[in-house]
Amino acid sequence: TQLLEQSPQFLSIQEGENLTVYCNSSSVFSSLQWYRQEPGEGPVLLVTVVTGGEVKKLKRLTFQFGDARKDSSLHITAAQPGDTGLYLCADPNSGYSTLTFGKGTMLLVSP
Amino acid sequence: DAGVIQSPRHEVTEMGQEVTLRCKPISGHNSLFWYRQTMMRGLELLIYFNNNVPIDDSGMPEDRFSAKMPNASFSTLKIQPSEPRDSAVYFCASRDRNNNEQFFGPGTRLTVL
Repeated sequence: TQLLEQSPQFLSIQEGENLTVYCNSSSVFSSLQWYRQEPGEGPVLLVTVVTGGEVKKLKRLTFQFGDARKDSSLHITAAQPGDTGLYLCADPNSGYSTLTFGKGTMLLVSP
Repeated sequence: DAGVIQSPRHEVTEMGQEVTLRCKPISGHNSLFWYRQTMMRGLELLIYFNNNVPIDDSGMPEDRFSAKMPNASFSTLKIQPSEPRDSAVYFCASRDRNNNEQFFGPGTRLTVL
């Protein structure tokens, strides 16, 4: 099981700003998932990236998988208060039988 | 579908008491997972079941923790006796064999005094 490091741990910004959060590992990912967890709720899957260099967009969110598949980033354009939450990256193991999560980036977007 | 259902949502108990957390997975999902989330350690997998059979319980911290899945629509996580360091949010999740997405319940916030 590989260790996932996420940065920054905490990010507080104003509405309308752009931001990027990161997920890194010393080992190669077979694939990577990003989840968002809103306060008082469980995590919800945002995206799965599989191919090195892959870029996926979900409205104002852009997910990138590193060419070497050892890192990933999530960029949010024009952040809104509704984007507030804990962003978690997860490594699916053994054909998605289990997930290993990073500790997450806590994002607070103020109006 | 109602999603993954967990009960209770909040539990406050005293050290030494038995605690039972309950989970109803999404109908038709064949995998069920129990996680624990704390500020220090993040979200950790405790145990998971495939077709009601425990597959990997290596994340269960101690013998005080036990989990059962008597049928496809119900699972329990029991802590006996509970200790203050067990205080955390416990999540249940389920997954369909044909889907790589885990669906999480709202969690149970456990406080052991």
